[in-house]
Amino acid sequence: QSALTQPASVSGSPGQSITISCIGTSSDVGGYNYVSWYQQHPGKAPKLIIYDVSNRPSGVSNRFSGSKSGNTASLTISGLQAEDEADYYCSSYTSSDTLAFGGGTKLTVL
Amino acid sequence: EVQVLESGGALVQPGGSLRLSCAASGFTFSSYAMNWVRQAPGKGLEWVSTISGSGDSTYYADSVKGRFTISRDNSKNTLYLQMNSLRAEDTALYYCAKPLAGAWRFDYWGQGTLVTVSS
Repeated sequence: QSALTQPASVSGSPGQSITISCIGTSSDVGGYNYVSWYQQHPGKAPKLIIYDVSNRPSGVSNRFSGSKSGNTASLTISGLQAEDEADYYCSSYTSSDTLAFGGGTKLTVL
Repeated sequence: EVQVLESGGALVQPGGSLRLSCAASGFTFSSYAMNWVRQAPGKGLEWVSTISGSGDSTYYADSVKGRFTISRDNSKNTLYLQMNSLRAEDTALYYCAKPLAGAWRFDYWGQGTLVTVSS
């Protein structure tokens, strides 16, 4: 079971937009619309921010958006704020009836 | 209010066993597949196992297959993870996670229980 590929780090200034990619294969990201994104602050449990590629759970800011093209999913955060600084993980259901996570991306708000 | 609360983490020697528990409340437990996800110190998230609402179907990561067993007691609203033949690489914070309607995306997580495998 291979992990999905994410950039180790991204950064942006307050008010800017950033995009985090999540690269998989046709057996996971490309084959199913069960891609999710999680935000994790230090010492805290992960928080679901996007599910099924582009849906936001109730209460999640509309500054967070998700999309998918082929085997690559993306998370975009617009209007960056200081509190967005966190680790972000993508996940995808796989054809093996398992769940794959990405390695995580550390977002720094400059 | 939905809550999931893990317990059972401890320091255990390599080759040892441990059983984790996750007490759930605030939702119809038997209606949801339940999950274990772990995070090694300073590392990323790793899915460990999933069990269907009825308990009839179970799924495991290759890294734990044959060593870990997931189970549930719907009468007690409790999820379990029996961990055998523990290895140093199993050292992690183990989270219990409830899915959003359906499966494979988790909207409620516990605070985790720490398992340390060391001699």
